[in-house]
Amino acid sequence: NAGVTQTPKFQVLKTGQSMTLQCAQDMNHNSMYWYRQDPGMGLRLIYYSASEGTTDKGEVPNGYNVSRLNKREFSLRLESAAPSQTSVYFCATLAGGHHYNEQFFGPGTRLTVL
Amino acid sequence: QQQVKQSPQSLIVQKGGISIINCAYENTAFDYFPWYQQFPGKGPALLIAIRPDVSEKKEGRFTISFNKSAKQFSLHIMDSQPGDSATYFCAASIRNTGKLIFGQGTTLQVKP
Repeated sequence: NAGVTQTPKFQVLKTGQSMTLQCAQDMNHNSMYWYRQDPGMGLRLIYYSASEGTTDKGEVPNGYNVSRLNKREFSLRLESAAPSQTSVYFCATLAGGHHYNEQFFGPGTRLTVL
Repeated sequence: QQQVKQSPQSLIVQKGGISIINCAYENTAFDYFPWYQQFPGKGPALLIAIRPDVSEKKEGRFTISFNKSAKQFSLHIMDSQPGDSATYFCAASIRNTGKLIFGQGTTLQVKP
């Protein structure tokens, strides 16, 4: 089992370019999350999806869109990248909806916007 | 506003010593308090977690102490080892949502 996979691992964009970060899981988990990690700020939730077909905003959703394509895949799109979106992006999954369960994180995508 | 404040930002401990990281929260709607460990270039991984109806949880060398009235919780790493060198994040889960609010992180270095 691969767990949670993310592509690409690294990406450099110019301001104004668009891109989609991909996340896939083979753990059959219902809920999926996108976080960004910045130095000194911990991880902040961008968007999440409690189940296939539903998405909701987190703490820092501005400048991002998401798609829960099916139970396995949850993508994050930057329509017009800005230098402030330079960060490490993590996808995570949670089993069984909203209970006392562990979130499993992918390896991250390191994004630089010039 | 839902916040979790973590301290210290960085910590250096000698091998065999005790590492202590503290967190404080402001919102009483949190119902689960995990600690995550992250090595460079990797995603965070769950280390240990506690529910608010328990004051202490121990797993091996790792212990969470939880003070509900003070809205504080801490991670103690006993007999710290160089392999424990990593970044540690406390977090709090918003009741009935599964959403996590993370602390700012603590970079731990254990010197041999």
